[in-house]
Amino acid sequence: TQLLEQSPQFLSIQEGENLTVYCNSSSVFSSLQWYRQEPGEGPVLLVTVVTGGEVKKLKRLTFQFGDARKDSSLHITAAQPGDTGLYLCAGAKRLDDGNKLVFGAGTILRVKS
Amino acid sequence: EAEVAQSPRYKITEKSQAVAFWCDPISGHATLYWYRQILGQGPELLVQFQDESVVDDSQLPKDRFSAERLKGVDSTLKIQPAELGDSAMYLCASSLAMGSWVGEQFFGPGTRLTVL
Repeated sequence: TQLLEQSPQFLSIQEGENLTVYCNSSSVFSSLQWYRQEPGEGPVLLVTVVTGGEVKKLKRLTFQFGDARKDSSLHITAAQPGDTGLYLCAGAKRLDDGNKLVFGAGTILRVKS
Repeated sequence: EAEVAQSPRYKITEKSQAVAFWCDPISGHATLYWYRQILGQGPELLVQFQDESVVDDSQLPKDRFSAERLKGVDSTLKIQPAELGDSAMYLCASSLAMGSWVGEQFFGPGTRLTVL
């Protein structure tokens, strides 16, 4: 059972289009992180959202944390071929033995020029 | 900019052989993680260290996998013997001490293992 559900699993769009990726769970997280991973490389942290309802912007990327801290979305405006990659959301749960990151399965984004 | 270092980047081995991966976390990061990522999926935690101590190895296949972080700095993950199903990307990540409640982790470039 996947604790974090990401959708869609795969997205192929034309350059200039907008898109939204969703990350949903029934669990509450202390924070949620979004990573971008290119083939053959490790995930690179894009943003961390901490407060319910929080919105963060990173150039053409807008990240939102749900009010209940159970879900998040990533919106990309005017996608570019350089945005192509695997987008992973990861929820952090604070436990007695430390923070655990639970990853979604990822969304593969392909932006065609 | 501080980075997590991993080596080798690529490893091809035959089944039943032994393999070892090395990770050097960001300086000052007390917590170190090893993940396994199968193509097209998210990373899955294998083992977590706080300094030199293992705090979670519940998902580590202990009959063939071992991990150590003897001096609380760099770490080694070993597989012996390797099986075909072990082919995957092995990622190392580090973060500040466990008390860092935000939980941000920083990943290395990974080791791509192919078992023939």
